[in-house]
Amino acid sequence: NAGVTQTPKFQVLKTGQSMTLQCAQDMNHEYMSWYRQDPGMGLRLIHYSVGAGITDQGEVPNGYNVSRSTTEDFPLRLLSAAPSQTSVYFCASRGAGGGRSTDTQYFGPGTRLTVL
Amino acid sequence: AQSVAQPEDQVNVAEGNPLTVKCTYSVSGNPYLFWYVQYPNRGLQFLLKYITGDNLVKGSYGFEAEFNKSQTSFHLKKPSALVSDSALYFCAVREIGGGADGLTFGKGTHLIIQP
Repeated sequence: NAGVTQTPKFQVLKTGQSMTLQCAQDMNHEYMSWYRQDPGMGLRLIHYSVGAGITDQGEVPNGYNVSRSTTEDFPLRLLSAAPSQTSVYFCASRGAGGGRSTDTQYFGPGTRLTVL
Repeated sequence: AQSVAQPEDQVNVAEGNPLTVKCTYSVSGNPYLFWYVQYPNRGLQFLLKYITGDNLVKGSYGFEAEFNKSQTSFHLKKPSALVSDSALYFCAVREIGGGADGLTFGKGTHLIIQP
């Protein structure tokens, strides 16, 4: 299994541009999430999904859109990039149902985004 | 609302000495608690978790953590530190049966092991 994969690894945008960060997982996990990591602030939840077709907002959703058309993929869209969105973005997934092993979130390698 | 506090930005320990990285949490109900480690320019790696049961949880690379409900703490420990343990450590919480999925993270603690 590849686990959680993210593309691209690095991206530079100009203010006002749009782009999509890709996330895919091959573990058949129902739950997927997007976080951003900023220095001294830990990771903050942007959006999450509890299954195909179901998404909801996290702590810092403004400026981002998500959709979940398949179990495997959970793209994050920046509609009009701003310098405040310069960050490292992590996608994560976890299983659902009973059992303790389903509660662990597994993270992708991250996308480092710079908005000029 | 749930929250996590990691009171130390940085912890310095000599190689071979025991280490402790502190974490306290706040949730309305019962917590799931996690520790993750991040090496430079890498994603987060899962170390260990507390769900229910034994308050002392053992995880990867010789790390362990003790859940203390009365003190709302979940400190990370290791009996003998290695230089390779140097990294950024995050404590995280999710309330059992809480609304939003996803984890609430602390700000992270830089662990530096000196040879």
